[in-house]
Amino acid sequence: GENVEQHPSTLSVQEGDSAVIKCTYSDSASNYFPWYKQELGKRPQLIIDIRSNVGEKKDQRIAVTLNKTAKHFSLHITETQPEDSAVYFCAAPTSGGYQKVTFGTGTKLQVIP
Amino acid sequence: KAGVTQTPRYLIKTRGQQVTLSCSPISGHRSVSWYQQTPGQGLQFLFEYFSETQRNKGNFPGRFSGRQFSNSRSEMNVSTLELGDSALYLCASADGAVDNEQFFGPGTRLTVL
Repeated sequence: GENVEQHPSTLSVQEGDSAVIKCTYSDSASNYFPWYKQELGKRPQLIIDIRSNVGEKKDQRIAVTLNKTAKHFSLHITETQPEDSAVYFCAAPTSGGYQKVTFGTGTKLQVIP
Repeated sequence: KAGVTQTPRYLIKTRGQQVTLSCSPISGHRSVSWYQQTPGQGLQFLFEYFSETQRNKGNFPGRFSGRQFSNSRSEMNVSTLELGDSALYLCASADGAVDNEQFFGPGTRLTVL
């Protein structure tokens, strides 16, 4: 089955700095990589996703890069703001698709004002 | 469209009891997935139902079961509760196509005493 490793587990940055979270996966057939943000006491929400036919995708201050050869993908947040403080999860589906998804263990991001 | 709803939001049970959790997906979504979230293990996939059939299953014991009704609402049952079953149980709704976004419900917080 799929194995997803996520690093770091905690990350503190100064407001305005960039934050990078990295994930590696094991199933070479995986081709969809979502990132979820979970604020304290709330449900996870999709913030960005990438499919294997592209190497990078941006949405305002958030970007995701994918390296299929190395089987890793990263979340980049620029110009961080206090409201970016949350736990971020990467995920990858198992081969065959549908909705069997393996999540990374999460990164707790703290943005210090 | 109304979002994903889960009932109840909080539950307290004792060891050995059983519990049933309910999830109503977004209208038109036919896929419902269930996850267990704990501080130590992160988000772990339990199972996914699509059109009343279990389509995917995670690595949980047989005490964890589920079903889906013709209106796509899903229930999850845990029998013979153990202390370690204390967790936030999240369901996620999707349209059922390969590798599409999942929308999470607010979760049911289960405490086993």
